[in-house]
Amino acid sequence: SQKIEQNSEALNIQEGKTATLTCNYTNYSPAYLQWYRQDPGRGPVFLLLIRENEKEKRKERLKVTFDTTLKQSLFHITASQPADSATYLCARPWDTGGGNKLTFGTGTQLKVEL
Amino acid sequence: DGGITQSPKYLFRKEGQNVTLSCEQNLNHDAMYWYRQDPGQGLRLIYYSQIVNDFQKGDIAEGYSVSREKKESFPLTVTSAQKNPTAFYLCASSIMGGYTFGSGTRLTVV
Repeated sequence: SQKIEQNSEALNIQEGKTATLTCNYTNYSPAYLQWYRQDPGRGPVFLLLIRENEKEKRKERLKVTFDTTLKQSLFHITASQPADSATYLCARPWDTGGGNKLTFGTGTQLKVEL
Repeated sequence: DGGITQSPKYLFRKEGQNVTLSCEQNLNHDAMYWYRQDPGQGLRLIYYSQIVNDFQKGDIAEGYSVSREKKESFPLTVTSAQKNPTAFYLCASSIMGGYTFGSGTRLTVV
């Protein structure tokens, strides 16, 4: 399977600030990347999908970018709130064979403080 | 409401015992997946199924078995051959795009 890397260190930010999480991939550029949110003891919840030919995608306070030169996706949460505290996972297709099988990163824990 | 149901939420296994984790979906999704999650290791794929009566091994299939007799159901059996089964198990389904995950089963060896 292809590799995908996320910063394992927790990210602590103040309420109202923008949180930026990083996802780096190796080898070939995937057709798309996905981002999920996971709360403790729960299954991940799908947030956004960004395709290789899309530079940026937005959904409410969320923004995802896809830079094929840097082999990186950035996930931004603007005007962050304590309720945004969770672990965020990045995922890419397992291989070039098509299908929807995913490889997940280890996730980055975000804590938004008052 | 459509979704995926995993049961039980907590499961305790004795040494040498086989246990089966249930996963049922009513989303009409063709593809289903089983992942294992350990602290600091992220999600690792155990088995997946793209269609009824067909399934493939993932990265860590040893000590596990599955069946896909119905589109809605994809049970996972953790056999006695799995030497370190204590983990959080997640089932997911998809048609295109993002996965829908269940709420997970936490398995502990006692």
